[in-house]
Amino acid sequence: SQQGEEDPQALSIQEGENATMNCSYKTSINNLQWYRQNSGRGLVHLILIRSNEREKHSGRLRVTLDTSKKSSSLLITASRAADTASYFCAQLVYNNNDMRFGAGTRLTVKP
Amino acid sequence: NAGVTQTPKFQVLKTGQSMTLQCAQDMNHEYMSWYRQDPGMGLRLIHYSVGAGITDQGEVPNGYNVSRSTTEDFPLRLLSAAPSQTSVYFCATTRETGANEQFFGPGTRLTVL
Repeated sequence: SQQGEEDPQALSIQEGENATMNCSYKTSINNLQWYRQNSGRGLVHLILIRSNEREKHSGRLRVTLDTSKKSSSLLITASRAADTASYFCAQLVYNNNDMRFGAGTRLTVKP
Repeated sequence: NAGVTQTPKFQVLKTGQSMTLQCAQDMNHEYMSWYRQDPGMGLRLIHYSVGAGITDQGEVPNGYNVSRSTTEDFPLRLLSAAPSQTSVYFCATTRETGANEQFFGPGTRLTVL
């Protein structure tokens, strides 16, 4: 069964706007990661946040983690058409070696 | 460096046929894994390996076999293909365990008729 769920399933915005995607998960985690997938391609790692961290930044990306609510959010600021892709959260299940992925959010940024 | 490579890119099989999906990495990573991605779903872990000679099952292992004789290669074998195995298959590696960022191959699109 999937560990995480992304919300919304699809998001369409104009270039320059901010995009926020949310991820909820079910069990205790070691860390949470966000990945991007362009159509027909493999996943590319964006950012990793550990269970003892609350916020992390990388360029135009900002990730938050709330372990009490078992949720995370990914904010992409000043979006560009090139940000059009599917975004997945993934959790390393605590005391386990496998990663669990959600179904993803499909982001469309219109020029 | 090529990173993570997968062959073939596309494959069509008939029900009952067997085949091997190849995955190779030149990053000297210990941890390798195989995922499948079905439409509208995230990736699901099939098998993984924490080092040469060591493999373990993931979330959906049935119908697949793996082996890890070298650090570089991690082939995935379909013993008797079924239409339910139609999917896109991704191989991924990471430096140690699944704790670190994973590097994905470009994927193999498999259709079983």
